[in-house]
Amino acid sequence: TQLLEQSPQFLSIQEGENLTVYCNSSSVFSSLQWYRQEPGEGPVLLVTVVTGGEVKKLKRLTFQFGDARKDSSLHITAAQPGDTGLYLCAGVVIYNQGGKLIFGQGTELSVKP
Amino acid sequence: NAGVTQTPKFQVLKTGQSMTLQCAQDMNHEYMSWYRQDPGMGLRLIHYSVGAGITDQGEVPNGYNVSRSTTEDFPLRLLSAAPSQTSVYFCASSYGPGGILYNSPLHFGNGTRLTVT
Repeated sequence: TQLLEQSPQFLSIQEGENLTVYCNSSSVFSSLQWYRQEPGEGPVLLVTVVTGGEVKKLKRLTFQFGDARKDSSLHITAAQPGDTGLYLCAGVVIYNQGGKLIFGQGTELSVKP
Repeated sequence: NAGVTQTPKFQVLKTGQSMTLQCAQDMNHEYMSWYRQDPGMGLRLIHYSVGAGITDQGEVPNGYNVSRSTTEDFPLRLLSAAPSQTSVYFCASSYGPGGILYNSPLHFGNGTRLTVT
């Protein structure tokens, strides 16, 4: 069974602060995706990282995939209230009939003005 | 495009009742899946399908049945509801099976909030 441990589970910070969310596993994933979810809605994809060591930037968000493809991190610079939401990492596992996504527990981020 | 449509949005069942959660997508996606979301546990995969006529179990399949007779529809059946099945259920689809096409995101519906008393 593949498990993704996400930390921290809850994060409450002031506007302008930086933060990092971690996603760790003992399993190797073929790729890893990060999603953001707002209340009452389904998750929406932020980014996919595929190659070990890969770094992707989306404005103030930086995503990194570990060299061994077992872990990933999301770093937000100068957080804003609009960043508030649930952040989910998801590892892609390939099976004979295709693949599936295994999700971490999520990080509930609250950014106060 | 409507994307992924889930019905109903809210449902209350009594223990032992059965019901079907509906999911339809209009993006011609081969891959469809059902997740349940509980506080502190993220999204857990119930069942998934890589195409019409093909389904497989996820992490928490007990108490749930699925079938995939068309590309568009992937209903989730609860045969005898239990309080432990109180949760928010999400249907999601993807252009690829998720694993083979690395850049295929999951497109989620807005969820069905189910309460079993």
